[in-house]
Amino acid sequence: ETGVTQSPTHLIKTRGQQVTLRCSSQSGHNTVSWYQQALGQGPQFIFQYYREEENGRGNFPPRFSGLQFPNYSSELNVNALELDDSALYLCASSLAGRDNEQFFGPGTRLTVL
Amino acid sequence: GENVEQHPSTLSVQEGDSAVIKCTYSDSASNYFPWYKQELGKGPQLIIDIRSNVGEKKDQRIAVTLNKTAKHFSLHITETQPEDSAVYFCAASLGYNYGQNFVFGPGTRLSVLP
Repeated sequence: ETGVTQSPTHLIKTRGQQVTLRCSSQSGHNTVSWYQQALGQGPQFIFQYYREEENGRGNFPPRFSGLQFPNYSSELNVNALELDDSALYLCASSLAGRDNEQFFGPGTRLTVL
Repeated sequence: GENVEQHPSTLSVQEGDSAVIKCTYSDSASNYFPWYKQELGKGPQLIIDIRSNVGEKKDQRIAVTLNKTAKHFSLHITETQPEDSAVYFCAASLGYNYGQNFVFGPGTRLSVLP
């Protein structure tokens, strides 16, 4: 087990709604990254937060946003949900400057109907 | 940007045989190459990694090799066991100064037949 937890485990939303996913980083880790994993594909980088600020972003529109809190927990918010947003959302925590290693949580399965 | 290809997409081996998964990357600046194992319903689990200043790394039955000139790296699993059955992902990264952006390959589904 990595010590990274995510909630909820599963979520069903309808198109146009908004969703918030949560992640609790491994103890001592100050950096969190979020990934989207569509069925049968590898994870795709959404963005990363370090010291409560966005520190890198992948090719995702602004309706994907995030927050990192002083205790290093994190949220991923997605507005105006589209059918293609259905995926497994993974967060990964790491220690900045510590050998690049990222440790993933179990993910949140989002289904958009 | 970085692009990672991975082959084969599926691989079936008999228990006890070896399995090899190969990846190529496009950005010569990438310097960190982790391998992840993902079991059904779980998040990816880091199983081994290699950095650009090393050509080979081994951890018990698992080894990874890196050829920087050719821009490819491979995962080798020896003496495979049924519990090795999972989807394996390779990834490439430019390092923490670039927001630890991992670019993943599409995955290899490994089945170890008893």
